[in-house]
Amino acid sequence: KNEVEQSPQNLTAQEGEFITINCSYSVGISALHWLQQHPGGGIVSLFMLSSGKKKHGRLIATINIQEKHSSLHITASHPRDSAVYICAVGETSGSRLTFGEGTQLTVNP
Amino acid sequence: DAGITQSPRHKVTETGTPVTLRCHQTENHRYMYWYRQDPGHGLRLIHYSYGVKDTDKGEVSDGYSVSRSKTEDFLLTLESATSSQTSVYFCAISGNRGRYGNSPLHFGNGTRLTVT
Repeated sequence: KNEVEQSPQNLTAQEGEFITINCSYSVGISALHWLQQHPGGGIVSLFMLSSGKKKHGRLIATINIQEKHSSLHITASHPRDSAVYICAVGETSGSRLTFGEGTQLTVNP
Repeated sequence: DAGITQSPRHKVTETGTPVTLRCHQTENHRYMYWYRQDPGHGLRLIHYSYGVKDTDKGEVSDGYSVSRSKTEDFLLTLESATSSQTSVYFCAISGNRGRYGNSPLHFGNGTRLTVT
């Protein structure tokens, strides 16, 4: 069974800070997803990646397949970035998608 | 945004009553999923569908059934609701490149179900 661990569980930052959220997993994967969930809101897909790095606006996602680790970076953080960020991995066996428990990010003005 | 609609958005029901949640998509995606989200557990798969009338169980399927009679609709039924099924339920869809993980996921806005 794939174990997906996110760190930290909770993160508080000041507006403008650079933020990093980490995701580690235990078995081979076909792809890794980063999702965002605002309080009381739905879940939005931010990135899907299987190698290297992707960037969208102030968000950057990286993955190291050998180390079974991914990071989500937010540059110049803003209060509207406050949300839960969820990592999810699809196994190479194709049998399931496993979710981390999420990282609660709060960005204060 | 992908066109996914969940209904109802909120539901309060009594223990022992049947409940059906609906997920409707306008994207013509092959794969549809039902997840539940609970504190301390993250998102857990209840059932999924890989085509019309093709469904399979997820990791927490006990007490739930599903049906998919047409591409756009995926129904989740609690035959006899229990308090342990109080949760937030999310429907998701993905494209045709793989059952899991190989295509972007698009989620509905969720249904908050309370079983009293």
